[in-house]
Amino acid sequence: QQQVKQSPQSLIVQKGGISIINCAYENTAFDYFPWYQQFPGKGPALLIAIRPDVSEKKEGRFTISFNKSAKQFSLHIMDSQPGDSATYFCAASNQGGKLIFGQGTELSVKP
Amino acid sequence: KAGVTQTPRYLIKTRGQQVTLSCSPISGHRSVSWYQQTPGQGLQFLFEYFSETQRNKGNFPGRFSGRQFSNSRSEMNVSTLELGDSALYLCASSLLGAYNEQFFGPGTRLTVL
Repeated sequence: QQQVKQSPQSLIVQKGGISIINCAYENTAFDYFPWYQQFPGKGPALLIAIRPDVSEKKEGRFTISFNKSAKQFSLHIMDSQPGDSATYFCAASNQGGKLIFGQGTELSVKP
Repeated sequence: KAGVTQTPRYLIKTRGQQVTLSCSPISGHRSVSWYQQTPGQGLQFLFEYFSETQRNKGNFPGRFSGRQFSNSRSEMNVSTLELGDSALYLCASSLLGAYNEQFFGPGTRLTVL
């Protein structure tokens, strides 16, 4: 019940395209869903996060879509750029709980 | 504002030895969490300390332990190292814990031979 399942494992997108990464969770107590971005040799960094009182949150080219009934959430990267090439992790938590990460998606944006 | 620092950055040990890793959180942050990152298992939660108390624990054997000092600095210890303990160990600090933004350090790369 603590799992967060993330897909795909890897993704290749052309520059200017849309990158979509999906996550699903089981624990209905989760109410905080962040996405982290990690570049090689660095620790993960928070990209964007959502709480279930909204179905979508947008920050620049990054959008989280959240479907509470399906227990799914996704990250959309619009106008993908080579500099977006990194590993992306979805995660879930609840107040007082621990942060559970998905397996990660390695994104490669081709010029 | 200085970020999260971890020392050492790289470490090579042999099976059976023990190791201590250190993490200095961002000033003012009271929560420190530790994660193990491997290619096969991804990012796995080890434990979280908040104001010197262990608040959450992951599913790791008792060989993995940690502590937090009054200045919020944290250490994690792994005893009787196994080959499978080879990983990147990441420390993250936050104001209140996993429910808020966590700031990760660059990690300590541990290799067990």
